[in-house]
Amino acid sequence: QKEVEQDPGPLSVPEGAIVSLNCTYSNSAFQYFMWYRQYSRKGPELLMYTYSSGNKEDGRFTAQVDKSSKYISLFIRDSQPSDSATYLCAMSKITGGGNKLTFGTGTQLKVEL
Amino acid sequence: DTAVSQTPKYLVTQMGNDKSIKCEQNLGHDTMYWYKQDSKKFLKIMFSYNNKELIINETVPNRFSPKSPDKAHLNLHINSLELGDSAVYFCASSQGVWQPQHFGDGTRLSIL
Repeated sequence: QKEVEQDPGPLSVPEGAIVSLNCTYSNSAFQYFMWYRQYSRKGPELLMYTYSSGNKEDGRFTAQVDKSSKYISLFIRDSQPSDSATYLCAMSKITGGGNKLTFGTGTQLKVEL
Repeated sequence: DTAVSQTPKYLVTQMGNDKSIKCEQNLGHDTMYWYKQDSKKFLKIMFSYNNKELIINETVPNRFSPKSPDKAHLNLHINSLELGDSAVYFCASSQGVWQPQHFGDGTRLSIL
C-alpha cells in the first residue's frame, strides 16, 4: 500500500463548478501538507501549505486537513479553464534526515467551457 | 527572473554516456533538492543539500552524484546512463528544511 493515495482521474467539470480533490494517507507521522498544481511540461507550483488540522483559504482555493481521518482535500471554487492541470498532494514528517516530500500520484483536472 | 532554473530543459543522449544537469535558484534559499518524475508522473526525492551539506541521499544508484558548489546552485552528474534513467528531473529549493519547496520546470532526459 502506498503511503499517499490519490485518485488519478481524469476529472472533468464545467466552468464555474466547485471542484473537490482528495488524498488519503496511512502514516500518522505526516505533519506538513501541501497542494501543488502542475501544468503540462512545467514544474509543480505550490498552491497551499498547511501544518495543522482545519481549513486554510486563499482566494478560490481552500485546503482542508483532517488528521484524525488521515484525509486532506483541496476545494476550488468558480473553476476556470485555466485551472485545468494535474493537482498533486504532498506531505512530510519531521525526521532527522531532512524534509522528504511524499507525493500522491496526482489528479488530472479538466475544466470545460 | 525565473526563481528556480534548470539547464538544459531537454537532454537526449545515448546509453552509456555521462551527462550533467544544472540548477540555480535566485530566491536566497539555503536548501535544494533533486526529484525524479517517472513516466507515470510519480515524483520521488533523490537528494537534498542544506547549506552545501548533503542531508538526504535516497536509495539511488551511485551512478548519480549531486554536487552543491554554493547555496544557490545544485548540479546532478549521471554516469553510464541507462534506459531506466529516462525521466524528468526536477530541482527544488526552500528557505530552511521545513519551509515549502519551490520547483523548477524540469529537465527531460531521454536515453536512446
